[in-house]
Amino acid sequence: ETGVTQTPRHLVMGMTNKKSLKCEQHLGHNAMYWYKQSAKKPLELMFVYSLEERVENNSVPSRFSPECPNSSHLFLHLHTLQPEDSALYLCASSPGSREEQYFGPGTRLTVT
Amino acid sequence: GIQVEQSPPDLILQEGANSTLRCNFSDSVNNLQWFHQNPWGQLINLFYIPSGTKQNGRLSATTVATERYSLLYISSSQTTDSGVYFCAGLNYGQNFVFGPGTRLSVLP
Repeated sequence: ETGVTQTPRHLVMGMTNKKSLKCEQHLGHNAMYWYKQSAKKPLELMFVYSLEERVENNSVPSRFSPECPNSSHLFLHLHTLQPEDSALYLCASSPGSREEQYFGPGTRLTVT
Repeated sequence: GIQVEQSPPDLILQEGANSTLRCNFSDSVNNLQWFHQNPWGQLINLFYIPSGTKQNGRLSATTVATERYSLLYISSSQTTDSGVYFCAGLNYGQNFVFGPGTRLSVLP
């Protein structure tokens, strides 16, 4: 599927690096999401952006910083990450907030 | 927020067999999705099914919202059905909460 794209697909970074993950949706949706999937854990919602609201999971550390410049693009800025942040980061979009979600292929992040 | 349970956690089938995966919710949900995560991590939409029954080829799903559960049926399973199946639900004013998944292995 090419409705939701994510770049890069794989990323290895050191704990002192700064990097950004990019998500773009071509579905005309108005809501976008970042999820984290760690090994042997359910998907964890990190951030939601929509026309109606911005939602942040209070348990997400400040070393993760989202940016949503428009309804088609979503970024996740990363800085001074920890090894436990290694995970699959998934972006999703939906027509409106809390409606059917469509996922991108994910970025597999490894923090060394 | 709601709690989501899935059963069984792991399932091994011989190709051609049928299976039923279950998703239970701690509270009522007004939206529900089923996904298949392939070995490369991509989450593929299977059903958006707040209530009732839907069918798509060999797969079908039933949600009984009043009893807080949903079932995913896979018939005549194929090796390409292998992967992890997730359900996700939300109730009023909340965002989707995902279950822990059912890992399915279909053997040739």
